[in-house]
Amino acid sequence: DQQVKQNSPSLSVQEGRISILNCDYTNSMFDYFLWYKKYPAEGPTFLISISSIKDKNEDGRFTVFLNKSAKHLSLHIVPSQPGDSAVYFCAASSMEYGNKLVFGAGTILRVKS
Amino acid sequence: KAGVTQTPRYLIKTRGQQVTLSCSPISGHRSVSWYQQTPGQGLQFLFEYFSETQRNKGNFPGRFSGRQFSNSRSEMNVSTLELGDSALYLCASSLKGVNTEAFFGQGTRLTVV
Repeated sequence: DQQVKQNSPSLSVQEGRISILNCDYTNSMFDYFLWYKKYPAEGPTFLISISSIKDKNEDGRFTVFLNKSAKHLSLHIVPSQPGDSAVYFCAASSMEYGNKLVFGAGTILRVKS
Repeated sequence: KAGVTQTPRYLIKTRGQQVTLSCSPISGHRSVSWYQQTPGQGLQFLFEYFSETQRNKGNFPGRFSGRQFSNSRSEMNVSTLELGDSALYLCASSLKGVNTEAFFGQGTRLTVV
C-alpha cells in the first residue's frame, strides 16, 4: 500500500533552469508534508515542509506547492545548481500517527552544468 | 547545536547474532524515530519514541525493538539477524510531538553475512 508516490524515478535539468519534483498521496489523513535531499550512504537532509492549511511555502531557492484537492505536492528549485544533484524524497505525516513519516520512493535529480 | 548522532556508522554481523544501534537526538528534542532503508523497500518506518514511550510502530517483526532513555537517547535492537536485515538504519529526532520537521542522523550501515 504505497500511500506516497513519486512517479518519476529520475529528472535531468540544465544548471540555472527550474527543477520540478512531483509527489502524490492517497491518504487524506496526511496533513503535513516534507521534502528531503539524500546522498548515498548518508541520512536525508531536511529541505522544506508545508502544513495542509497552506498551499505554498518558500525558503530561498526552494518552494513547495500543495494541492489538497488533487492530493499532489511539488518541489520547485530555482535556479538549479550542480550541487542539487541528489535523491529527493517526499514524505507525509498525520497528527493521527505522531511523527511517523511515510516516504515516497524518491526521485534522482541530475543538474547538468 | 550538534545534530543527530548515530553510532556505530558501520557494522558487520553474522546471521543469528543480535545488534544494538544507538542514537543521540538533537538537544531538546523529545521524539526519536527509526527507519530502515533498503534498495528494494525504500525508507520504512520502524518505530517512534516520545518521552520514553513507544508511540507508534511500523510493520516489522518482533525481532526489531527499541527503547528511549530519560535523556531522549534511543537504542534499537535487532535479534536473530537475517541476511535481509542488511540495510541503512536511520534515526530522526523531532522537537515537538506531531507535524514537525524531523532531522536525520548519518545512519548505521548494517551488513549481515
